[in-house]
Amino acid sequence: EAQVTQNPRYLITVTGKKLTVTCSQNMNHEYMSWYRQDPGLGLRQIYYSMNVEVTDKGDVPEGYKVSRKEKRNFPLILESPSPNQTSLYFCASSGTGGVTGELFFGEGSRLTVL
Amino acid sequence: GQNIDQPTEMTATEGAIVQINCTYQTSGFNGLFWYQQHAGEAPTFLSYNVLDGLEEKGRFSSFLSRSKGYSYLLLKELQMKDSASYLCAVREGTGRRALTFGSGTRLQVQP
Repeated sequence: EAQVTQNPRYLITVTGKKLTVTCSQNMNHEYMSWYRQDPGLGLRQIYYSMNVEVTDKGDVPEGYKVSRKEKRNFPLILESPSPNQTSLYFCASSGTGGVTGELFFGEGSRLTVL
Repeated sequence: GQNIDQPTEMTATEGAIVQINCTYQTSGFNGLFWYQQHAGEAPTFLSYNVLDGLEEKGRFSSFLSRSKGYSYLLLKELQMKDSASYLCAVREGTGRRALTFGSGTRLQVQP
């Protein structure tokens, strides 16, 4: 089954404790991206990657890091989480094979930073 | 950059028709998407428009006017399961293939 898998789905942590949210897709997609979703603000892009070893900042990259060492994986790293990073995070991917190039989303990771 | 506007909330009756509007301003348009998102779940793709006109897919249709920076999503024969948020997203004509999303329209379908 074609899917984007994120882990963990739910996490409560404390300020300053480094954490990583993993994302993996099995569709051989070149493009992967991270979004955060907050009430009233919609989905905002954090980072994206056009292919292996190619990453770039989105609209709200502060406090986040990413890496793309393999095509299928695109982890999101919070080196020193702060309460304003409490949010619902979505990983998404898209490929060049489809007509529309639509994004396929993971199920989301709800992060709470105390 | 882009600015995307859509109503925050709408209410409609089961069996009826509802139209959700989206207006956008962009420096380089390369497609408009509609996604459906149920509470606590991932967005799922509904429709895509890149040329002017109406795209129909079952009970859902989407319309685009590039000259007006305007799109709408039309939902017919509403069902209770259509209660969800509907996200309008625009792709700019760059190599990023990123989508910029509006804040979403929460649709409540009532019996």
